[in-house]
Amino acid sequence: QKEVEQNSGPLSVPEGAIASLNCTYSDRGSQSFFWYRQYSGKSPELIMFIYSNGDKEDGRFTAQLNKASQYVSLLIRDSQPSDSATYLCADSLSGAGSYQLTFGKGTKLSVIP
Amino acid sequence: DAGVTQSPTHLIKTRGQQVTLRCSPKSGHDTVSWYQQALGQGPQFIFQYYEEEERQRGNFPDRFSGHQFPNYSSELNVNALLLGDSALYLCASSFSIAGGLGEQYFGPGTRLTVT
Repeated sequence: QKEVEQNSGPLSVPEGAIASLNCTYSDRGSQSFFWYRQYSGKSPELIMFIYSNGDKEDGRFTAQLNKASQYVSLLIRDSQPSDSATYLCADSLSGAGSYQLTFGKGTKLSVIP
Repeated sequence: DAGVTQSPTHLIKTRGQQVTLRCSPKSGHDTVSWYQQALGQGPQFIFQYYEEEERQRGNFPDRFSGHQFPNYSSELNVNALLLGDSALYLCASSFSIAGGLGEQYFGPGTRLTVT
């Protein structure tokens, strides 16, 4: 069964530090990978997506993809208390006739002032 | 630019009843996906609608059904509600790309409580 695994945390980092969130996926056919942020009681908000091996940067966020190791990560630089949330990793077989996102359970991040 | 909207925000139903949830996609999007998120879990894919048809379905029973209208809005219907159906129901909209999945943007969700 297709799975996306994340460490549930909580992951605690001091304000200003780099937060590193990790995700592994089971299906080698997965093509696209997404990071969502979800504040307590709210819906998921898309932060970044990545399709190609390597790094993709957007502001304080960097997504890293290693398809050989089936590993995706999200780095948050200069972490702020407002970054405290649950981060959801999702993959998709996009391009292979599949249209669903498969989510991990999420990692709870706490940024300590 | 209006984002994804959902109604109602909260809903309380009794076991055995039926419920209808509604979703309007983001402007320019033509595809609607529905997800169920239980407490402490990631969202689980229910189904996706494109061109007014169910294009793909997740591992949910037939009690879950849906519809997409010509204006791309969508409804999720759940019959014979069970206590285990209590969850946050999320609608996600996207623009369909050839053979694949564009970025999906979620609405605020409908919190369903079954008593």
